Amino acid sequence: EVQLVESGGGLVKPGGSLRLSCAVSGFTLSSYTMNWVRQAPGKGLEWVASISSTSTYIYYGGSVKGRFTVSRDNAQNSVFLQMNSLRVEDTAVYYCASGVYGYWGPGTLVTVSS
Amino acid sequence: DIQMTQSPASLSASVGDRVTITCRASQSIDTNLLWFQQKPGKAPNLLIFSASNVQTGVPSRFSGGGSGTVFTLTISRLHPEDFATYYCLQNYSPPQTFGPGTRVEIK
Repeated sequence: EVQLVESGGGLVKPGGSLRLSCAVSGFTLSSYTMNWVRQAPGKGLEWVASISSTSTYIYYGGSVKGRFTVSRDNAQNSVFLQMNSLRVEDTAVYYCASGVYGYWGPGTLVTVSS
Repeated sequence: DIQMTQSPASLSASVGDRVTITCRASQSIDTNLLWFQQKPGKAPNLLIFSASNVQTGVPSRFSGGGSGTVFTLTISRLHPEDFATYYCLQNYSPPQTFGPGTRVEIK
């Protein structure tokens, strides 16, 4: 059974940092591009970042570029999102999704507030 | 960046109705368009990929069409479990962009 599980969310002050993890099982992570998508409370979906199977191609959405870094460890079956210089507007549920978005995790809530 | 719009923003419909949602891209994206269904408190669920291909396990009442800049998602006969919010996503070029969503409500 394919599973993706995000972790690392929580409450952080503006300007702070968090590192999200996405642990995958049930498929070969090294074969797939992975994506991060977020959803602010009561709002729509926002694409955050994607990382190709061997980390050759990495892309970011404009609102996080320069502050967030996506990485992966295929041997550890995990994908990461390092979030720095967090802002109130980064408050959202963060989802990881595999490949062409066929599988998603349940999400982890990040709250940025003083 | 490619901008995505959806219409309508919301609609009210009855069980058994045929519903069509439209997604427009600010430039041609060929058929690099996905459709998702999302219910409150849940992760999105992929319905359609490459504009018209139904994801495995998705009921056949869902269909997608279009290419270039205009795309449609059609639900042939609404079931009670179809009341949700629907999003399109272009994965033609980064940054990928979602449409703002269409909320399908019970009339």
